[in-house]
Amino acid sequence: EAQVTQNPRYLITVTGKKLTVTCSQNMNHEYMSWYRQDPGLGLRQIYYSMNVEVTDKGDVPEGYKVSRKEKRNFPLILESPSPNQTSLYFCASSFRGLGANVLTFGAGSRLTVL
Amino acid sequence: RKEVEQDPGPFNVPEGATVAFNCTYSNSASQSFFWYRQDCRKEPKLLMSVYSSGNEDGRFTAQLNRASQYISLLIRDSKLSDSATYLCVVPRGGSQGNLIFGKGTKLSVKP
Repeated sequence: EAQVTQNPRYLITVTGKKLTVTCSQNMNHEYMSWYRQDPGLGLRQIYYSMNVEVTDKGDVPEGYKVSRKEKRNFPLILESPSPNQTSLYFCASSFRGLGANVLTFGAGSRLTVL
Repeated sequence: RKEVEQDPGPFNVPEGATVAFNCTYSNSASQSFFWYRQDCRKEPKLLMSVYSSGNEDGRFTAQLNRASQYISLLIRDSKLSDSATYLCVVPRGGSQGNLIFGKGTKLSVKP
């Protein structure tokens, strides 16, 4: 089944404890992206990647890191999480070219930072 | 004008009603537009793409007005299962696959 898989789906952690949210897609998509969704603010892009080893900042990159060493994986790293990073996170992917804007989303990762 | 702006709603309508949502965008160079649907606590999923003046898929019609820079989504004969948040999506200028999401319009269809 074609899908984007995120883990963990739910996580409660404490301020300053490094964590990684993994994202993997099995559709051979070139483009991958991370979003966070907060009430009243909608979906905001954190980072995106047009292909392996190519990453770029989105609208709200502060406090996050990403890497794209393999085409299928695009982990989101919070080096020192803070309470304002409590949010619902979505990973998404798509092809480039035709269909580039048809995103497939993962099921979401709900993160709480205490 | 904000990059993508939607009426947040909520729109509360009875089953069978026709409801329309509008979305305005600021980038006049945008060539394609999208409506995504998001159920509560779930991931967004593509509902419709709009590349020219409009698109129709069953009970759903999306229309584009380039002169006024808005797109609309019309839902006819509303079903209970149409209850969701509808996200207007516009590509960010020049970047394939890099999208700007509106904050969404919430629809609640009542029996």
